[in-house]
Amino acid sequence: DAKTTQPPSMDCAEGRAANLPCNHSTISGNEYVYWYRQIHSQGPQYIIHGLKNNETNEMASLIITEDRKSSTLILPHATLRDTAVYYCIVRVGTGAARQLTFGSGTQLTVLP
Amino acid sequence: SAVISQKPSRDICQRGTSLTIQCQVDSQVTMMFWYRQQPGQSLTLIATANQGSEATYESGFVIDKFPISRPNLTFSTLTVSNMSPEDSSIYLCSALLTANTEAFFGQGTRLTVV
Repeated sequence: DAKTTQPPSMDCAEGRAANLPCNHSTISGNEYVYWYRQIHSQGPQYIIHGLKNNETNEMASLIITEDRKSSTLILPHATLRDTAVYYCIVRVGTGAARQLTFGSGTQLTVLP
Repeated sequence: SAVISQKPSRDICQRGTSLTIQCQVDSQVTMMFWYRQQPGQSLTLIATANQGSEATYESGFVIDKFPISRPNLTFSTLTVSNMSPEDSSIYLCSALLTANTEAFFGQGTRLTVV
């Protein structure tokens, strides 16, 4: 699976959009971009994933650049409960090997 | 998704002893995994728990230290054997409902070895 690079930490004001970047310049054509988050003392939680089109669900939006070498997770109206470590993971989307390889992630702190 | 229950949620153990962690899912799942999260670190995959056969271990993890069982489609155990303080970590169980769904996680077992 391709490696990812994320900033170690970011702050965001409550109610504002949080934009979390991820660089995955070595991504292959059959690899998806996944986002998970881990709130302190909890297990990771799936947020969203995409291949090349932008995706949106009830939690967030995922913007993938045209060359697929980077992406941005957008939390449109961040709340204090969104404070967590956010992990960007690139991996093949299908097949038997469905385990996840976690990098160091981005610690997002939402400030009141 | 489904719900994973891990037991115990935390424990303090003496060095040299072993601890078995249970992972129970409320639905049948195709795949189950065990991860370790050392203090202040990210998650590291220990192994894939295979139903009815030996687990598949990642580099750096061996069966003698981390024996794993998966007797059916809803349950798995991870044993941390002959523990040392370096084994102090959070151990997390993860599962997939089907090959096309996303992984979900239990709340973890916080292990402290003294």
